[in-house]
Amino acid sequence: QVQLVESGGGVAQPGGSLRLSCAASGFTFNTYAMHWVRQAPGKGLEWVATISYDSVNIFYADSVKGRFTISRDNSKNTLFLQMNSLRVEDTAIYYCARGGSVVRSWFDSWGQGTRVTVSS
Amino acid sequence: ELVMTQSPATLSVSPGEGATLSCRASQSVKDNLAWYQHKPGQAPRLLIYGASNRAAGIPARFSGSGSGTEFTLTISSLQSEDYAVYFCHQYDTWPTFGPGTKVDFK
Repeated sequence: QVQLVESGGGVAQPGGSLRLSCAASGFTFNTYAMHWVRQAPGKGLEWVATISYDSVNIFYADSVKGRFTISRDNSKNTLFLQMNSLRVEDTAIYYCARGGSVVRSWFDSWGQGTRVTVSS
Repeated sequence: ELVMTQSPATLSVSPGEGATLSCRASQSVKDNLAWYQHKPGQAPRLLIYGASNRAAGIPARFSGSGSGTEFTLTISSLQSEDYAVYFCHQYDTWPTFGPGTKVDFK
């Protein structure tokens, strides 16, 4: 069955960096758009970034544009989120989610999330 | 930004009772709306897509309706495993999510 497993979360200082990974299995990874979504403590879900199946189309929320980079390695069935210039407000649980064959679609599978804490 | 709101914030329901959850968009999203169930420490679970289509493996007691700006998720007879947070998601434009409705035990 479809499985998405995030890793790479942890504690970082403001201005620091972290790289999140999402290992995918149980489906043909290179035919699906993928997404990162986060949930800050006590807040709702916030879309972070989207990458098309072929990495040609990439989109970011304004809140992370210029600081975060989404990428994928279809040969390794893995999605990444490089997070630089981290801010306290980036503290959240980060989820990867599978979209559809197009970038604007529902998210039919999610991982359990990885926690990122930005604190001095 | 397209804003999603949900009501009520909390819904207290007894097992076997029905539950009606509402989601509103600040502008039309046509039928580009999904509903998810989220339990603490677990991955969110897709329930409904396209406003009214049940996802694979979702019990028939879950149903979605609406289009444009007003949407409803109905749980016809609540089971113990249905106590969770439910949130809506529009994908007509860049994705935005509602704040969620917590369904708890009455």
